[in-house]
Amino acid sequence: AQKITQTQPGMFVQEKEAVTLDCTYDTSDPSYGLFWYKQPSSGEMIFLIYQGSYDQQNATEGRYSLNFQKARKSANLVISASQLGDSAMYFCAMREGTGTASKLTFGTGTRLQVTL
Amino acid sequence: KAGVTQTPRYLIKTRGQQVTLSCSPISGHRSVSWYQQTPGQGLQFLFEYFSETQRNKGNFPGRFSGRQFSNSRSEMNVSTLELGDSALYLCASSPPSGGVEDTQYFGPGTRLTVL
Repeated sequence: AQKITQTQPGMFVQEKEAVTLDCTYDTSDPSYGLFWYKQPSSGEMIFLIYQGSYDQQNATEGRYSLNFQKARKSANLVISASQLGDSAMYFCAMREGTGTASKLTFGTGTRLQVTL
Repeated sequence: KAGVTQTPRYLIKTRGQQVTLSCSPISGHRSVSWYQQTPGQGLQFLFEYFSETQRNKGNFPGRFSGRQFSNSRSEMNVSTLELGDSALYLCASSPPSGGVEDTQYFGPGTRLTVL
């Protein structure tokens, strides 16, 4: 079974609008961390935001927020006020807490295109 | 602080050759992980080194190996290259605590093309 599922291969959003990128995960470990990364065409993975499984509040970092619904095992990324520079691939990733050290498991990604 | 650096950025090799990629982590980070990214398989974990020891390993053949030096710099080696090894190889470093909250910071990647 897929540990991280991103069901949207591609998304379009108009500049200045908000967009939600979906991510669901599968784990039986009570301790885990969820991450979102942005990958522009240059290839570098840029860390955006982190949510821990025990965090009571949704994480926010500037225009990025994470809509964490633990019971539904979803961790959707919300980008507010989209900018042209937000056009990129976005990856959701998870690290589980038992015996897997620093390994991140990634989803297949969502390509976001911001239009004028 | 300087970010993660990877060299070379681009590499072209032929089948059967071997290749060595280098990664310098963020200062103070002792964990270095390597990932392979291809259009077909996505991002896959190769291995992780911590304090010069391999701490975790993905499901790749033995042709893929790595090492870490005392200054935390890491190298990965691929021997007997195959066409399917063409990929973007990403290195990431993270703080040494080993918890789920450790953020991995990635380098720009090395794009390997095997002809």
